[in-house]
Amino acid sequence: DAKTTQPPSMDCAEGRAANLPCNHSTISGNEYVYWYRQIHSQGPQYIIHGLKNNETNEMASLIITEDRKSSTLILPHATLRDTAVYYCIVSLKNNAGNMLTFGGGTRLMVKP
Amino acid sequence: KAGVTQTPRYLIKTRGQQVTLSCSPISGHRSVSWYQQTPGQGLQFLFEYFSETQRNKGNFPGRFSGRQFSNSRSEMNVSTLELGDSALYLCASSQPPGHSSYNEQFFGPGTRLTVL
Repeated sequence: DAKTTQPPSMDCAEGRAANLPCNHSTISGNEYVYWYRQIHSQGPQYIIHGLKNNETNEMASLIITEDRKSSTLILPHATLRDTAVYYCIVSLKNNAGNMLTFGGGTRLMVKP
Repeated sequence: KAGVTQTPRYLIKTRGQQVTLSCSPISGHRSVSWYQQTPGQGLQFLFEYFSETQRNKGNFPGRFSGRQFSNSRSEMNVSTLELGDSALYLCASSQPPGHSSYNEQFFGPGTRLTVL
């Protein structure tokens, strides 16, 4: 699986959009970008995933660049409860197995 | 519906002992994966089970083992515990292979194991 690079930490003001970047320059054509987050003392939570088109769900939006070498997770109106570590993971979407490779993630602090 | 449940939530053991952790997946989820989380190594994949068979295994010694039952519940066992095994052990469940959401994993709260 391709490796990802994320900033170790970011701050965001409550109510503002949080834009979390991720670089995955070695991503291959059939690898997806997945985002999970882990709130303190809880297990990771699936947020969203995408291949090359932008995706949106009730939690967030995922913007993937045209060359697919980077992506941005957008939380449109961050709340204090969005404070967490956010993991960007690149993985094949297939039936061979569920083996997520987590990196260090970005620690997002939402401040009042 | 109920989420992934793990028991016990906290456990204290001493070196050399063994431990068994339990995981009940979300109803209808038949794939179960286990992960270890430590401050030094982060989140690392241990193994995945489906249909009572281990499908994939991470880079962990043979002291770490697991199994899955016919009702999809899973257990993992660590024998001859070492201090370095102190960690948060997370279980994740997903739809079975072949399902469009197979690769979306739902995690439990974890079992925090402390080895003294």
